[in-house]
Amino acid sequence: QVQLEESGGGVVQPGRSLRLSCAASGFIFNNYGMHWVRQAPGKGLEWVATIWYDGGDIYVADSVKGRFTISRDNSKATLFLQMNTLRAEDTAVYYCARDAGYSNGWYVYWGQGTLVTVSS
Amino acid sequence: DIQMTQSPSTLSASVGDIVTITCRASQSINDWLAWYQQKPGKAPKLLIYKASTLESGVPSRFSGSGSGKEFTLTISSLQPDDFATYYCQQYNTYFSWTFGQGTKVEIK
Repeated sequence: QVQLEESGGGVVQPGRSLRLSCAASGFIFNNYGMHWVRQAPGKGLEWVATIWYDGGDIYVADSVKGRFTISRDNSKATLFLQMNTLRAEDTAVYYCARDAGYSNGWYVYWGQGTLVTVSS
Repeated sequence: DIQMTQSPSTLSASVGDIVTITCRASQSINDWLAWYQQKPGKAPKLLIYKASTLESGVPSRFSGSGSGKEFTLTISSLQPDDFATYYCQQYNTYFSWTFGQGTKVEIK
């Protein structure tokens, strides 16, 4: 069955960096687009970044543009989110999610999420 | 960016009720809309995509309708497992997907 497992979250000081990983299994990873979605405590869902199946197209939300980078290693079935210059407002649970296809745009499977807390 | 507005923000209902949640887009998104259900402490779950297509395994009491700028999620007979928060999401625009703010369905 499809499994997505995020890791790399934790407590980090403002201005520092963190790298999240999402290990995928149960499907052919390089056939699907992948996404990061976050949810601040008590708030709604916010799309963060998307990378299409072959890594050829990447989209990043304006709120994190220039600070966050999405990437993937298809040989290891792993998705990454490099987060630099973190701010307090980046505090959230970060979910990785699998697209319905190469680049359909809706999220069929989700990981359990990893909590990132930006605080001094 | 396309803004998605859900109404109501909170809804109180009883088991067996018909529940309707509305999602409005700030511009036409054709039928590029999905609905998700989220329970506390859990990841969201896809219910409907392409405005009205039921995801595999989702009970048939859930249905979606609409196109253009106005969409509806209906639960035909609310069950105890359905008390949760529901989000709409547009995927019309590749470079900026957006969610509605959520609708919490509470027990009346």
